[in-house]
Amino acid sequence: EAGVTQFPSHSVIEKGQTVTLRCDPISGHDNLYWYRRVMGKEIKFLLHFVKESKQDESGMPNNRFLAERTGGTYSTLKVQPAELEDSGVYFCASSQNRLAANEQFFGPGTRLTVL
Amino acid sequence: ELKVEQNPLFLSMQEGKNYTIYCNYSTTSDRLYWYRQDPGKSLESLFVLLSNGAVKQEGRLMASLDTKARLSTLHITAAVHDLSATYFCAVLLAGTASKLTFGTGTRLQVTL
Repeated sequence: EAGVTQFPSHSVIEKGQTVTLRCDPISGHDNLYWYRRVMGKEIKFLLHFVKESKQDESGMPNNRFLAERTGGTYSTLKVQPAELEDSGVYFCASSQNRLAANEQFFGPGTRLTVL
Repeated sequence: ELKVEQNPLFLSMQEGKNYTIYCNYSTTSDRLYWYRQDPGKSLESLFVLLSNGAVKQEGRLMASLDTKARLSTLHITAAVHDLSATYFCAVLLAGTASKLTFGTGTRLQVTL
């Protein structure tokens, strides 16, 4: 079974540009999460989708970040315009059932560098 | 706000030695997870601890949970080089089913 995949693995952009990150969850997983790790800090929650609906977006830092999950399959996270402090590793995770152990399976992350 | 503290941040240990990583959290939780991350790779799930007194073991790693003390430990027995990685604990706030709150991670380096 394929795991969570993310694209691209690395992205280097200049301040003010736009970047879109993509996450493909494990097939059949209704729950999809975005996290990020800014250098030297903890991995922090950004938001949670259940199918195509945003269940919790309390971790989204500001309105420069837009996440979508059209059709309840893959998700995109757009940063527009990017700022220097957005640099970090963005992880996506998926899980199958909210009522079970809710084990979240993580992708390899996208390393974003904003220059 | 749930806070998760993990220590030590960095651990250098010799092969064959034992050591423990600690994970303290600040509010009630009923689920705690341990993950391993190799450089540039995904976070790999190691253990899911669901109840007070839960103990799980896999190879040289053993994790336990004390919900009353709000403490989980990851014990490493007779370390080998292959265990070198960064280990994270993560806590799910009681009554929620979404966001994990992570500790800072412990970078483990096992030397020959």
